[in-house]
Amino acid sequence: AQSVAQPEDQVNVAEGNPLTVKCTYSVSGNPYLFWYVQYPNRGLQFLLKYITGDNLVKGSYGFEAEFNKSQTSFHLKKPSALVSDSALYFCAAFRQGFKTIFGAGTRLFVKA
Amino acid sequence: GAGVSQSPSNKVTEKGKDVELRCDPISGHTALYWYRQSLGQGLEFLIYFQGNSAPDKSGLPSDRFSAERTGGSVSTLTIQRTQQEDSAVYLCASSRTTGGTYGYTFGSGTRLTVV
Repeated sequence: AQSVAQPEDQVNVAEGNPLTVKCTYSVSGNPYLFWYVQYPNRGLQFLLKYITGDNLVKGSYGFEAEFNKSQTSFHLKKPSALVSDSALYFCAAFRQGFKTIFGAGTRLFVKA
Repeated sequence: GAGVSQSPSNKVTEKGKDVELRCDPISGHTALYWYRQSLGQGLEFLIYFQGNSAPDKSGLPSDRFSAERTGGSVSTLTIQRTQQEDSAVYLCASSRTTGGTYGYTFGSGTRLTVV
């Protein structure tokens, strides 16, 4: 079965430190990969996507994600975390002809 | 409109009553999805509409749930005989194509509370 895994329910990081939120996928073919963010009491917002090309994708709010085909991963990264980055992050995968699959989400806490 | 609009934003209903949740997608978006999110948890797929194709209803949890999309635009999710376990945030998303290439735009959701 096709799936997207976010192995960490929660990630804690100190402000100013780099952050990584992990995502691996098990989707056949060459899926499109996405990150979405959900801030408290707000809807999901698109952060970034990978379709093809450069393995390092840059998105909103200083986030970037690294695609690794051999490891079927698409980890979200930011060089310097902000307290305001605290939110729920979802990884998603899409392949033509199939519906998008979302991971279970990872809650990021950035401590001042 | 500029974004995906959902109404109502909050709904409190008594157990056993029927509720209707509305989603207005972005104009021209052919794909529309309904998801359910419980207590800040993951997204549970409910149903997917794509153009004039038959909807993918594989995520609907029971026959109390149904959805329609009129004229390829507005969608209504109906929950009959609501139960307390139906309490959740119901999210609607639309996309320009089948949902992948351009990602989704999500609405702010309808928070349903069944008492």
